[in-house]
Amino acid sequence: QSVLTQPPSVSGVPGQRVTISCTGSSSNIGAGYDVHWYQQFPGTAPKLLLFHNFNRPSGISARFSGSKSGTSASLDITGLQAEDEATYYCQAFDSSLLVVLFGGGTKLTVL
Amino acid sequence: QVQLVESGGGLVKPGGSLRLSCAASGFTFSDYYMTWIRQAPGKGLEWLSYISPSGHTLYNADLVRGRFSISRDNGYNLLYLQMSSLGVDDTAIYFCARDGDSHPLDYWGQGTLDTVSS
Repeated sequence: QSVLTQPPSVSGVPGQRVTISCTGSSSNIGAGYDVHWYQQFPGTAPKLLLFHNFNRPSGISARFSGSKSGTSASLDITGLQAEDEATYYCQAFDSSLLVVLFGGGTKLTVL
Repeated sequence: QVQLVESGGGLVKPGGSLRLSCAASGFTFSDYYMTWIRQAPGKGLEWLSYISPSGHTLYNADLVRGRFSISRDNGYNLLYLQMSSLGVDDTAIYFCARDGDSHPLDYWGQGTLDTVSS
């Protein structure tokens, strides 16, 4: 069981907006540690999608955005496209456990 | 361009050992933390260990502490993961990634599959 909690799945239709949450605690997200998000397609390595809560690496669509508040963070995907169908993971450092944490992953299905 | 290439995976019997390597290129290896992550079949990502640029500071997940050991050779731009006392639950794809600590993992290797089975 991950210390960072994500919904196992979300779904949406093309063009819709979806939000994926990542809930932590006072020793990780709530302690001020930044949240990073990764996108993974089946059979491939994860790819950095957002870093330091809301920053996009070069080449990542502006349809992906992020935010953080308190002990939670969110990944928003607007204008949903079929190519967005993937599994998304959040990541943060935990100062109590002195470990890097991943959320359990959220599988996005585009209906 | 940044490249990370893992090797050393394969089939090993329970109780056995394996050493994974990650060859880095396209950046100044000795400037970066490096991290190992694994993913069991059909499961999520699991952080294992990271090492400081100098190699002097290591952090390990509880589940591998005492069994897995991360190390690096900055002269050859290589990252290692020495794994021992392997069990079937260690069957996974093992990824190396650049950076660590609270920083984003900005580049990942393609992964190497380790299968622990009798």
